[in-house]
Amino acid sequence: DQQVKQNSPSLSVQEGRISILNCDYTNSMFDYFLWYKKYPAEGPTFLISISSIKDKNEDGRFTVFLNKSAKHLSLHIVPSQPGDSAVYFCAAQGAYSGGGADGLTFGKGTHLIIQP
Amino acid sequence: DTAVSQTPKYLVTQMGNDKSIKCEQNLGHDTMYWYKQDSKKFLKIMFSYNNKELIINETVPNRFSPKSPDKAHLNLHINSLELGDSAVYFCASSRALGNSPLHFGNGTRLTVT
Repeated sequence: DQQVKQNSPSLSVQEGRISILNCDYTNSMFDYFLWYKKYPAEGPTFLISISSIKDKNEDGRFTVFLNKSAKHLSLHIVPSQPGDSAVYFCAAQGAYSGGGADGLTFGKGTHLIIQP
Repeated sequence: DTAVSQTPKYLVTQMGNDKSIKCEQNLGHDTMYWYKQDSKKFLKIMFSYNNKELIINETVPNRFSPKSPDKAHLNLHINSLELGDSAVYFCASSRALGNSPLHFGNGTRLTVT
């Protein structure tokens, strides 16, 4: 059962416009959320994270929004640049209880294509 | 300098063989992980080590065994390889357990023929 869902396999956006990537989760124990970017033949690269005590976190062109009641988060990239073309993974983690951790649970990814 | 490095990048081998994938991190992190990306592109955790102790062991076959000679290394050894083991394996590390981003290596593409 997928606990982290990215329902859009791909997204095409014009250069300079805003890219919005969406992610839904089902596990209410998740309290830390991350976005990763992945180029072909490379490992995922950490972009930005947000704790459940916040609803927004911003880092340069990247902003992550968290709606806990809807169990939904989104990544906004503005303005979109050609180098942003990659696969974006949403990931989530539950509270570490000391008795074991679940690592990161990943979504399936969204392939973002920035068109010139 | 590469923060998390894993070798080899590609590994082609026959069924029944035993192989190892090496991973090293120079970030001074306390926790290291192995993830598997299957044919459906899902990234799933296999193991994690925190201060040389195995703290997660997802339901992976016991043919897979992580070995950590020190905090900076977590190698993955696979016995009796099967066709279904073909995947991309990623090593990762994090500063601590919980609320700490993982930093990934570039992956090892394992192909079992």
